Amino acid sequence: DAGVTQSPTHLIKTRGQQVTLRCSPISGHKSVSWYQQVLGQGPQFIFQYYEKEERGRGNFPDRFSARQFPNYSSELNVNALLLGDSALYLCASSLSGSPYEQYFGPGTRLTVT
Amino acid sequence: GQQLNQSPQSMFIQEGEDVSMNCTSSSIFNTWLWYKQDPGEGPVLLIALYKAGELTSNGRLTAQFGTTRKDSFLNISASIPSDVGIYFCAGPSSGTYKYIFGTGTRLKVLA
Repeated sequence: DAGVTQSPTHLIKTRGQQVTLRCSPISGHKSVSWYQQVLGQGPQFIFQYYEKEERGRGNFPDRFSARQFPNYSSELNVNALLLGDSALYLCASSLSGSPYEQYFGPGTRLTVT
Repeated sequence: GQQLNQSPQSMFIQEGEDVSMNCTSSSIFNTWLWYKQDPGEGPVLLIALYKAGELTSNGRLTAQFGTTRKDSFLNISASIPSDVGIYFCAGPSSGTYKYIFGTGTRLKVLA
């Protein structure tokens, strides 16, 4: 079975632009979470979605938004990009959310110049 | 808010040695997850802990809750070069669906 997939792998954007990152969960998993990981730190929680509903949100500005589709895939959108948004964006899927195990995708490396 | 602190921050060990690392929370966790991350890749789940007092194993890896359930330990026996990487602990923040990750332990194995 395929694991969590994310696209694109790498992305370079300019300050002020908008970006959309995509994630497909493991088949049968209904929950998707998004994390931001800057170099040298652990992943920071951004959002969790379950059955298309937002169930949790981390301490990120409103420039960050996400949604989950009927097939449980998800998109993360970031508007008005800042240099500090440069990071590895990770998607994790789980059967139904906390406290079940979360399985991560390979991530999307976003560079903002 | 809740924080997870891991120690040691980094460690060099000889191939074949056993390794122990721990993770400490400011509050009780009922679930602990241990991940390994290689450079440029996503974290890989190693062990999930749900029951305090029990050892959970995955090959050469074992993990358990600490006595207060505010901490957790991961042990690697007979380390090999591919054990190199960053090890993270994680757990669900109380009353939320938010997962918190630790600060990480960087492991380097000398052949």
